[in-house]
Parts: sequence; C-alpha cells; structure tokens
Amino acid sequence: SAVISQKPSRDICQRGTSLTIQCQVDSQVTMMFWYRQQPGQSLTLIATANQGSEATYESGFVIDKFPISRPNLTFSTLTVSNMSPEDSSIYLCSVEDRRKAVYEQYFGPGTRLTVT
Amino acid sequence: RKEVEQDPGPFNVPEGATVAFNCTYSNSASQSFFWYRQDCRKEPKLLMSVYSSGNEDGRFTAQLNRASQYISLLIRDSKLSDSATYLCVVMNTGFQKLVFGTGTRLLVSP
Repeated sequence: SAVISQKPSRDICQRGTSLTIQCQVDSQVTMMFWYRQQPGQSLTLIATANQGSEATYESGFVIDKFPISRPNLTFSTLTVSNMSPEDSSIYLCSVEDRRKAVYEQYFGPGTRLTVT
Repeated sequence: RKEVEQDPGPFNVPEGATVAFNCTYSNSASQSFFWYRQDCRKEPKLLMSVYSSGNEDGRFTAQLNRASQYISLLIRDSKLSDSATYLCVVMNTGFQKLVFGTGTRLLVSP
C-alpha cells in the first residue's frame, strides 16, 4: 500500500487562528480524502479531493471553514480556519488503492489538533 | 439510526479464545465492506476487505450477509496484540465514501 505522511503530527493552536495540514503520498493517486475523528468518536468524512477540481464536501462541512488544495497527484492540504475548541480533533488523510477490484483506502498517521 | 452499528464492547477475552464481532448496516446500496483495526492514538489500518463469499486471512475470518445487511469478524486463537478497536466500515455505491461504525473494543488478557 501507499506510504502516507502528514505534517504536523500534532499542534496546539489558539482559537481564531488557522492551521494547514499537509498530506504527502509516495505514489500518484487519483482520490484523496480528509476525515475527522473527534475524541471518543469514529471517523467522519470531511471532503474528497481530486487533482484539478474543487473538493467535494460532505454535509456539515463547508469550504470556508475547511479549504482544501490538491495541486498534484501526490499532495493535498486541509486548512482548519478560524478555529474554536470544537475543532479539537484528529485529522486524517486517506488515499484509495484502485489496483484491486475492491477499492481500499489507507490512512495517514493523522494530525492531532488541540484548540485552546 | 446510525448507518453502521456495532456493539462498542469492550470484549474481554483470555489469550487463545475465539471472539466474534457483528455489525449491521442500514443502506442496502452499500457495495463494499471492510474491517479496520485502530490502536489507541493511531490511525485505522485496513485489516481485511469482506467479500460476498466470505474470506479468511490467517486467524481472521470475515462474513457478509447481504440479505440481513450483516457483517461479522471472527478472530481465532486471540493474541495479546489483537487488543484494539475494530471498526466496521461500508462503502456506498458510486461515492467511494467510507462510513465508519463506532468500533468494538477488544481486550485480550494473559
């Protein structure tokens, strides 16, 4: 499977500021995904990012709050804007492996964000 | 009702035991099914995809019952290292969107 890295691995930020999270993959992938895992909860999809097009956001998530870039087939960024304590969460990117009949997704190590 | 439902556990079992987890999903259009494993403070790791005919990987066996919209995971000869949260995940037709259950926590003790 692809090797996925994320930066930063963790951060503590003040409310009202923004943080940009980077996701790097060691191979070219068509689709990248951004998820959030709030404390004690399971994962929720924020948006799907395809190279060369606007990201597609899930219900409850908007571009102004979570702008996403996808400049090439190995890289994406997610920005958490105007942060509040409710944004404290783990943010994970994932990529889809299309080499099999069933498309499997693999996750990066996550970015643990605490907003004070 | 949640789209993917799992018993949160925890399941406390001794080493060597056999343990089974169940999961139900509500969207009959779901097309692909997976079990992920998540260790504390780590990212989910794909354990296995679940095929219609059922599939086995070493000590792990997954079954799918589309008629009942039910997925299972069986772990034989449990190891201490199997202690983790097991996430049942479905993918819905045409969206490549993964929907996660809340997970079942397994604790294997000596």
